[in-house]
Amino acid sequence: GENVEQHPSTLSVQEGDSAVIKCTYSDSASNYFPWYKQELGKRPQLIIDIRSNVGEKKDQRIAVTLNKTAKHFSLHITETQPEDSAVYFCAAIQGGSEKLVFGKGTKLTVNP
Amino acid sequence: DAGITQSPRHKVTETGTPVTLRCHQTENHRYMYWYRQDPGHGLRLIHYSYGVKDTDKGEVSDGYSVSRSKTEDFLLTLESATSSQTSVYFCAISVKGQNTQYFGPGTRLTVL
Repeated sequence: GENVEQHPSTLSVQEGDSAVIKCTYSDSASNYFPWYKQELGKRPQLIIDIRSNVGEKKDQRIAVTLNKTAKHFSLHITETQPEDSAVYFCAAIQGGSEKLVFGKGTKLTVNP
Repeated sequence: DAGITQSPRHKVTETGTPVTLRCHQTENHRYMYWYRQDPGHGLRLIHYSYGVKDTDKGEVSDGYSVSRSKTEDFLLTLESATSSQTSVYFCAISVKGQNTQYFGPGTRLTVL
């Protein structure tokens, strides 16, 4: 089955700096990779996703890159703001199914 | 919020008692999921459903059962609650053909 590893588990940056979170996956049949943001006490919210037919996707200050050969994908947040502080989860779809497997999360703190 | 509600939102119960959590959706989505979220473990799939009366196990299904007698409701039952089942439980739906999952607001369950 699919296994997703996420690093780092905690990340602290200064406001305005960039933040990068990395994930690796094991199932070569995986073709969908979403990222979720979860604020304290709230539900996970989808912020961006990427499918295996593209290598990069951007949405304003966030971007996701995918390297299928190496089986890793990354979330990039530029010009970080205090409201970006949250826990971020990566996930990968288990090949041939509708099941997502999640990483264990990265707690991002943006210091003013 | 994809029209997903969960009930109850908070529950405190005692070891050995049965507990049922309800997930309700209003948009006729075929796929529904139950996850538990614990510190250091991210989101782990308990059970999922791919249609009325069609369910399957996830990675942490022991001690849990589910039922789906109509499209809009997916019930999670703890037959005899244990302290290890203290957790936050999230329901999710999957939009057909997109793999994308959207989460309900969550239920915080405490088993004493």
